[in-house]
Amino acid sequence: KAGVTQTPRYLIKTRGQQVTLSCSPISGHRSVSWYQQTPGQGLQFLFEYFSETQRNKGNFPGRFSGRQFSNSRSEMNVSTLELGDSALYLCASRPGWRELVEQFFGPGTRLTVL
Amino acid sequence: DAKTTQPPSMDCAEGRAANLPCNHSTISGNEYVYWYRQIHSQGPQYIIHGLKNNETNEMASLIITEDRKSSTLILPHATLRDTAVYYCIAPFTGTASKLTFGTGTRLQVTL
Repeated sequence: KAGVTQTPRYLIKTRGQQVTLSCSPISGHRSVSWYQQTPGQGLQFLFEYFSETQRNKGNFPGRFSGRQFSNSRSEMNVSTLELGDSALYLCASRPGWRELVEQFFGPGTRLTVL
Repeated sequence: DAKTTQPPSMDCAEGRAANLPCNHSTISGNEYVYWYRQIHSQGPQYIIHGLKNNETNEMASLIITEDRKSSTLILPHATLRDTAVYYCIAPFTGTASKLTFGTGTRLQVTL
């Protein structure tokens, strides 16, 4: 079974631009979560989607948004990029969203904002 | 999530057992303890989880104290590839997706 895939793996943008990151979950997984990882703040939860609906949300500004498609693939968007948005963005999937099972993480997208 | 406390770093010789401790004194009765690890530049990888009883899988063993206030992750025969940051997490039951990763323990396995 293929793992979680994220595209692109690396991205360089400038301040003020917007960016869209993509995540394809493991086949059959319907829950997708997004995390931001920076050296200073560590791994922080952004949001989770299940059945095309946002189920949980972390403490990030409205510039961070996401969506999920009917095939469970998910995208996250960051508008008006700031230097502090430079980070590794990780996507994780699991079969459902209530049960306590492990999450499977993708390799991440490393975003650099100049 | 229940707060967890881990030592910032540990060393282990290759072939020896690595015992990584975690304190979670505020954990409630229905909160599981999860362990993940993150090898440099990769996404976190699930290792094991448990509630009350000790657990073992092909990667590791998890020992949870009877009062559930602490646990120990055991890698029985550490290899260089086990060098990583290990995270102990105790998420609230209803928000199992919203994992809160602390700073973890950086395990360095050496020859």
